[in-house]
Amino acid sequence: DIQMTQSPSSLSASVGDRVTITCRASQGIGYGLGWYQQKPGKAPKRLIYAASSLQGGVPSRFSGSGSGTEFTLTISSLQPEDFATYFCLQHNTSPYTFGQGTKLEIK
Amino acid sequence: QVQLVQSGAEVKKPGASVKVSCKASGYTITNYYMHWVRQAPGQGLEWTGIINPSDGSTIYAQKFHGRVTMTRDTSTSTFYMELSSLRSEDTAVYYCAREGQGTPGDYWGQGTLVTVSS
Repeated sequence: DIQMTQSPSSLSASVGDRVTITCRASQGIGYGLGWYQQKPGKAPKRLIYAASSLQGGVPSRFSGSGSGTEFTLTISSLQPEDFATYFCLQHNTSPYTFGQGTKLEIK
Repeated sequence: QVQLVQSGAEVKKPGASVKVSCKASGYTITNYYMHWVRQAPGQGLEWTGIINPSDGSTIYAQKFHGRVTMTRDTSTSTFYMELSSLRSEDTAVYYCAREGQGTPGDYWGQGTLVTVSS
C-alpha cells in the first residue's frame, strides 16, 4: 500500500497567516491527490482535486501543488473559518490512502 | 442539487452485520463512481472501497476483503455498504462519497455512526 505521510500533525497559526501543509507519498502517484477539510462532527469537504485544481465554491486563498511524491496545500491568508483538520488522499493506486491529518488551531 | 442521504445510526453486537444505505439524488448515479470511507472516533479517515454503479463492479481495501460488500440499486438510486463479522474496532462513522473529476469526495453523505458493542 502507498503510505501518505502528512506534516505537520498539528499547527497553531493566527488569522492572516500563510500556512503550508505537506503530504509525501511512499511512491509516485502522479497528480492523483486530493485535499479535504473537516470540521468536528461534519463530513469532509473537498478543497483540491488532481493535486492543484480548486474545487468549485472554495475560496481562492486555498491552493494545491505538487506531483509524484510531494504535495502541498497552502492557505494564503487564514480566515477564522479555516481552523479545522485537513487531510490528503491519494487516489492513484488502490487501496486509496489518506494522510493522518493536520489539525489547524488558532494561536 | 446533488444530495447523498445516509441511513441512521446503528448499534450492533460483535459478530453481527450492518448494512448502511446512501440515497443519491440530483444526478444520474450510473455516471459517477461511489466510495465508502470510515472514521473511527477521534481518528483519521480510512478508505473502504469503491463501486462502479454502471455494472456493480467493486474494489475493496484488502483489509476488508471477505467482510465488506458494496452494492447499488439503480431503480432507487441507492448505494449500500454491508460489513459483516463486526468487531469493536469497526465502531466508526461510515461515509459515502461520490467521485467527481476523477477524485473521490466532491459530494459526501452526512455519515452513519455504527457502534459495535456487547
